[in-house]
Amino acid sequence: EVQLVESGGGLVQPGRSLRLSCAASGFNFNEYAFHWVRQAPGKGLEWVSGITWDSGSKGYADSVKGRFTISKDNAKNTLYLQMNSLRVEDTAFYYCGKDKHGDLDSWGQGTLVTVSS
Amino acid sequence: DIVLTQSPLSLPVTLGQPASISCRSGQSLVASDGSTLLNWFQQRPGQSPRRLIYKVFNRDSGVPDRFSGSGSGGNFTLKISRVEAEDVAVYYCMQGRHWPYTFGQGTKLEIK
Repeated sequence: EVQLVESGGGLVQPGRSLRLSCAASGFNFNEYAFHWVRQAPGKGLEWVSGITWDSGSKGYADSVKGRFTISKDNAKNTLYLQMNSLRVEDTAFYYCGKDKHGDLDSWGQGTLVTVSS
Repeated sequence: DIVLTQSPLSLPVTLGQPASISCRSGQSLVASDGSTLLNWFQQRPGQSPRRLIYKVFNRDSGVPDRFSGSGSGGNFTLKISRVEAEDVAVYYCMQGRHWPYTFGQGTKLEIK
C-alpha cells in the first residue's frame, strides 16, 4: 500500500525555521518526482516546490523562492522541505505528493505549520 | 504560470441529479508524448486531496464510474452523472505540464 506520511509541522515564530519530512513506503521511491503543496486555512491549493526523481531539477513558487529548500533522501525514502525565514502567510497545511508524469497520484495526510508570534 | 479557471465556484445539486464542472487553461497542456496533463482532485471536508481523474479522462482505481472527465485544447470538464451524498467536497483541476503546477480555484459541491 502506498503511504506518504508528513511530519515536522508545528507552531513557530516569524523569522524562524522548520523542516518538514515526508516518509514514503509501498512503492519505489527512487522512480518518482515529488512535490509539496500547501493549503492555507479555508483556502485553495498552492504548489510550493517540486523535485525530479534524480534530484536533478528543483522548482519553487515565487512566494517561497530563496527561503525554502526541497530535497529527497533515496536511502531513507524521505522527502524534505527546509523552511527558513518563515512568515505569517506561510501558515498552512503542507502536503507531499508523488508524481510519475505530471499527475500527483498520491498525497499524504498533511502537516500543519502555524507561523505566529 | 499557467492559469486554470474553474466554474462554477459553488455548485448546489439535488441528490441523484448530474453535476458538471468546467476548467479552462490559458496554455496548452499537451506533453511531448501527446498526453494532456490535466488532473481532477476531490477534497472532502477535513481530508487531504484525492486524485479522481488523470490525463483528462482516466479514472483512478476505486473511483466510482459516475465520475468522468473529458475535454481537449484548453477546455476540460468533470461530470458526475448522479450526485450522491458522499460527493460533497471541493473539486480542483490541476495542470502537471509545466512547473509551477497550478490549480483551479476549486468548486464547492453541496447538496441542495
